[in-house]
Amino acid sequence: AQTVTQSQPEMSVQEAETVTLSCTYDTSESDYYLFWYKQPPSRQMILVIRQEAYKQQNATENRFSVNFQKAAKSFSLKISDSQLGDAAMYFCAGNNAGNMLTFGGGTRLMVKP
Amino acid sequence: EAGVVQSPRYKIIEKKQPVAFWCNPISGHNTLYWYRQNLGQGPELLIRYENEEAVDDSQLPKDRFSAERLKGVDSTLKIQPAELGDSAVYLCASSYLAVNEQFFGPGTRLTVL
Repeated sequence: AQTVTQSQPEMSVQEAETVTLSCTYDTSESDYYLFWYKQPPSRQMILVIRQEAYKQQNATENRFSVNFQKAAKSFSLKISDSQLGDAAMYFCAGNNAGNMLTFGGGTRLMVKP
Repeated sequence: EAGVVQSPRYKIIEKKQPVAFWCNPISGHNTLYWYRQNLGQGPELLIRYENEEAVDDSQLPKDRFSAERLKGVDSTLKIQPAELGDSAVYLCASSYLAVNEQFFGPGTRLTVL
């Protein structure tokens, strides 16, 4: 993707509740992937989930799922049954033909016990 | 399997000094990426290697930054001379071919005084 926008600098969720992080993108690519990465204070970027743009079915990984709206260029992340360990920075990203990632500005997720 | 290794984890230097960062990718990964992450922002790609060839370095400030990947394995990113605005986290990532998931290292946090 060429531009990725995350409009929520911070989000907060109660433990065991559900939270949705928003992301919009714009790209000239016809075939691309979209990703959500988690970055804890240790700085290690960890892939949470990815979506192939040509697939209509939304990706799911355990408690993490996405809502991919291709026409609206929207790619949100839903975290169910939030856990204290989910607290981190979350980055939305898209790739281009060379698999080079463009990241959004990030959303800081806080989980309240 | 060992992940992407970066060193040092932290570096503090005076402005105008040179600095170098080292990255060892996951064994067998032929594609290597260097990203720069400014405080509170998402990572931005600096350069991508396929084996020992730099295939995209359009975002690398070539007046002071240089990179190399000898023998298509380890890579070094150098800044000479460093400026105050270079303070950031420098992330290295690798993937098997340029179409697959990128695995990130823990990054090097550079502080230029």
